Amino acid sequence: DTAVSQTPKYLVTQMGNDKSIKCEQNLGHDTMYWYKQDSKKFLKIMFSYNNKELIINETVPNRFSPKSPDKAHLNLHINSLELGDSAVYFCASSPGVLDYGYTFGSGTRLTVV
Amino acid sequence: GENVEQHPSTLSVQEGDSAVIKCTYSDSASNYFPWYKQELGKRPQLIIDIRSNVGEKKDQRIAVTLNKTAKHFSLHITETQPEDSAVYFCAASMRAGANNLFFGTGTRLTVIP
Repeated sequence: DTAVSQTPKYLVTQMGNDKSIKCEQNLGHDTMYWYKQDSKKFLKIMFSYNNKELIINETVPNRFSPKSPDKAHLNLHINSLELGDSAVYFCASSPGVLDYGYTFGSGTRLTVV
Repeated sequence: GENVEQHPSTLSVQEGDSAVIKCTYSDSASNYFPWYKQELGKRPQLIIDIRSNVGEKKDQRIAVTLNKTAKHFSLHITETQPEDSAVYFCAASMRAGANNLFFGTGTRLTVIP
């Protein structure tokens, strides 16, 4: 069974559209994250949630809105997509706030045209 | 947030030789330093980590060293094999009490058979 699963794996959409990426983990972890990996492979934290509560929002535009219905799910909704949003988005989870072992999802490659 | 610098950005070694990747961090409160391996088109995977109360850790052909005073840590791979070819990322934790990881810019390692 996949520990951290993201859907979709690929997403191609036009500028101005709204899209969502879903993430689910079956590891029983308390903390989940969204990272963005740009074309230069740089991995940057976007959000982290602990037990459905937002911990960190790292200078991400308001067009990005995470939602955590329960601690096993952290979805990412993006409004008014821009060309610069094209990247690979990775979801990750870890056992808790003070335990750092990350497990990453397989990534969602978003292409905005 | 934390600032993590990683060098070199690319590294080519002959099979059987050693490879060393170095990282520096800025936040003296950082206390957790993992290394991730990302193969082409795949997710980052944790290969080794070290906490601030330890100076060195080894796992078969992989070792990590940490110098807290100088705020730098290094990954050492001995007896490299072609399957070690990948992008390697170092990371450092944010301040104690939160567990966001800030990643270095990555090193593309190529092992030449």
